[in-house]
Amino acid sequence: DSGVTQTPKHLITATGQRVTLRCSPRSGDLSVYWYQQSLDQGLQFLIQYYNGEERAKGNILERFSAQQFPDLHSELNLSSLELGDSALYFCASSPRVAGAPGDTQYFGPGTRLTVL
Amino acid sequence: DAKTTQPPSMDCAEGRAANLPCNHSTISGNEYVYWYRQIHSQGPQYIIHGLKNNETNEMASLIITEDRKSSTLILPHATLRDTAVYYCIVSPGISSGSARQLTFGSGTQLTVLP
Repeated sequence: DSGVTQTPKHLITATGQRVTLRCSPRSGDLSVYWYQQSLDQGLQFLIQYYNGEERAKGNILERFSAQQFPDLHSELNLSSLELGDSALYFCASSPRVAGAPGDTQYFGPGTRLTVL
Repeated sequence: DAKTTQPPSMDCAEGRAANLPCNHSTISGNEYVYWYRQIHSQGPQYIIHGLKNNETNEMASLIITEDRKSSTLILPHATLRDTAVYYCIVSPGISSGSARQLTFGSGTQLTVLP
């Protein structure tokens, strides 16, 4: 158990809909990262927040957005869903912004999104 | 970030050491080598990291060559539960204030055989 929690575990929805994925980081961790893992793309970084502020963006679509709240939990919002958005979505947390030795990322169990 | 090259798959007998190689010939001086693994669609799990010295923890050992262009992750006594995809990732170790997301490649599918 990494200490990172994600809800829901599974989500099935239809094209065109909007969903919200939730992540609670490990206690004390200030950074939250979101990753997407689809069958054909592997694990791809989407976006990072540090202490409530966006710090980096990766291959995140404009239909996707995220935020980190004062209690440090984060939400990933996916809208106008398409079939290709079906994937595993992982959240990870780390104590600092990134990069300090030993500043590893700890991943949650993921949310499996299925768009029908 | 430096690119890494790993064999797509490897087998190992249960109880034997599993040695997973990684090539990172373009690694630069401040970049660390990290290893993560992912067991069948679970969240990736941190294993170990190092800069230039060999490292050991309760899970594994990391051997980095002197020129730092390659490394080997060693699981000393592999069990069936070690069957997973193992990712070797190179990432700067010293924060410059910018975020350093992990860039995952294809990894090595390690299958531990009974």
